[in-house]
Amino acid sequence: DQQVKQNSPSLSVQEGRISILNCDYTNSMFDYFLWYKKYPAEGPTFLISISSIKDKNEDGRFTVFLNKSAKHLSLHIVPSQPGDSAVYFCAASAPDTNAGKSTFGDGTTLTVKP
Amino acid sequence: NAGVTQTPKFRILKIGQSMTLQCTQDMNHNYMYWYRQDPGMGLKLIYYSVGAGITDKGEVPNGYNVSRSTTEDFPLRLELAAPSQTSVYFCASSKGQETQYFGPGTRLLVL
Repeated sequence: DQQVKQNSPSLSVQEGRISILNCDYTNSMFDYFLWYKKYPAEGPTFLISISSIKDKNEDGRFTVFLNKSAKHLSLHIVPSQPGDSAVYFCAASAPDTNAGKSTFGDGTTLTVKP
Repeated sequence: NAGVTQTPKFRILKIGQSMTLQCTQDMNHNYMYWYRQDPGMGLKLIYYSVGAGITDKGEVPNGYNVSRSTTEDFPLRLELAAPSQTSVYFCASSKGQETQYFGPGTRLLVL
């Protein structure tokens, strides 16, 4: 049973437009959510996170929205740039007693066309 | 401050051979993790450690072993390599529930 799901394997958008990446989770114990970005031949790097006590977190062009009742979060990138082309992983973790472990989705490959 | 480093970058193994993937972090993080990523898939947790001398199994531990003798190092041992272990392996570290910092990965091919 996959606890974190990214149902769209790929997404293509035009430069300057909005990119919306979605993520669903099933475990109600998850209380911290993160997005990582991964370029080919590199390790994932942290992008943005949100705690379950919030419903929105913004950092420059990146905003993450959390809908706890729907167990759904989304990452908005505005405006999208060609350098944003990468694989984006959604991750979720439970409180500290879980040794900081995160459960990852399978990723969404974003392509931003010039 | 190098962050998380992994060696080697790439390795080809024959079936039945063994090897150790090295991972070192210089951020004094207590938590460390090993993941594997198969094509088109997410990161699957192999083993993790909450501190020196303490390790535990993750989601896919079979065929692997780990040790954590120091805070900095968390090597992953493959015994009797199998084609199913062909993957990209990532080591990561964190202070706790927040951000994990990943190494650049080791690409392993078992033939």
